[in-house]
Amino acid sequence: DTGVSQDPRHKITKRGQNVTFRCDPISEHNRLYWYRQTLGQGPEFLTYFQNEAQLEKSRLLSDRFSAERPKGSFSTLEIQRTEQGDSAMYLCASSSTPGQEETQYFGPGTRLLVL
Amino acid sequence: GNSVTQMEGPVTLSEEAFLTINCTYTATGYPSLFWYVQYPGEGLQLLLKATKADDKGSNKGFEATYRKETTSFHLEKGSVQVSDSAVYFCALSESFQGAQKLVFGQGTRLTINP
Repeated sequence: DTGVSQDPRHKITKRGQNVTFRCDPISEHNRLYWYRQTLGQGPEFLTYFQNEAQLEKSRLLSDRFSAERPKGSFSTLEIQRTEQGDSAMYLCASSSTPGQEETQYFGPGTRLLVL
Repeated sequence: GNSVTQMEGPVTLSEEAFLTINCTYTATGYPSLFWYVQYPGEGLQLLLKATKADDKGSNKGFEATYRKETTSFHLEKGSVQVSDSAVYFCALSESFQGAQKLVFGQGTRLTINP
């Protein structure tokens, strides 16, 4: 068990560019979550996958954001036409146990800076 | 909607001092409650959790008790160490589609001086 990994750890981009982040969950975890954390705040939920199905999306996820989990393993989060307001830490978490006993395990995050 | 309010930081203590970080929540139903810790340069790590009223979560000397009557889940530790310096997040779980969405407080930065 190597934990949740995310790539890249840091990304600097210019406004208007597209960026893509990758998350590799703990193997055999069928649930995968994306959160966004801005400076000085707690993480906020963005979207959730159960296996390859995207079952929930937050209103925070505008049309410029898209997430996939094509084979129910790793996931990607793409932001098109980035804006300075997209600068944040993007966190991925995975879990396997349903219901009240569920524990989400977080990756180290991808820190995005949009210039 | 559901929300979590944490004691504002930063909090600075001396080593071996007693720690309390307050956390209150607003929720419909009976969520699970969590404390996560974020060390510098690292991701969130689960510190402890409680899934029902009066449950006490504990780990690494930290404790928190799920108090339904006061809607609170305060974090305590009897004697803090320099290595406890980190940001602490209180969170609750919101059930949806068979999964649990976490709702976090704003975090409390803790610094322990030797």
